[in-house]
Amino acid sequence: QKEVEQNSGPLSVPEGAIASLNCTYSDRGSQSFFWYRQYSGKSPELIMFIYSNGDKEDGRFTAQLNKASQYVSLLIRDSQPSDSATYLCAVKTDYKLSFGAGTTVTVRA
Amino acid sequence: DVKVTQSSRYLVKRTGEKVFLECVQDMDHENMFWYRQDPGLGLRLIYFSYDVKMKEKGDIPEGYSVSREKKERFSLILESASTNQTSMYLCASSPPRVGYEQYFGPGTRLTVT
Repeated sequence: QKEVEQNSGPLSVPEGAIASLNCTYSDRGSQSFFWYRQYSGKSPELIMFIYSNGDKEDGRFTAQLNKASQYVSLLIRDSQPSDSATYLCAVKTDYKLSFGAGTTVTVRA
Repeated sequence: DVKVTQSSRYLVKRTGEKVFLECVQDMDHENMFWYRQDPGLGLRLIYFSYDVKMKEKGDIPEGYSVSREKKERFSLILESASTNQTSMYLCASSPPRVGYEQYFGPGTRLTVT
């Protein structure tokens, strides 16, 4: 079992809709959870992080964490064409981050 | 803003060559990391360093070594490049806070022929 698994995608959503991205992790000791966005040919950039169970909102992005279910998600509200990218889930355990393979999102106008 | 820079965006080397990839960060971060990213495999950790002259193996250290002589600089060395080391190499840095969010450089696309 991979340490971090994401829904495989690709995910296509119409402009203005909500994009929902899911991530599960295997290590119950994981402490912090991150979402990165990566445009084609570019390096990952941090969108947001979450440590505690529940929701965390930042602009159009909401991260949700459920440690009991070992599940973290990212919602993108009012999706824009500029949100078209690959989204990486990362989980911190001990000294390192483990990354999922990513979910590619396409927002169609 | 955190700035992480890498010495080259694109690099082409021959099999057997020794290759140096340089990474510099300007935020006085203690922790630095080297990853490679391949289609379908995601980001995989090669080595990391949590202090000057300290290094730890990541998930795929074979064929690589690292050097950290100064806090701001972390080098990845391919002792004898092979074609299966053709990849995108990403450097990252992070502060030692509990959060551990990492900030990435622009990446070096290395091709070994």
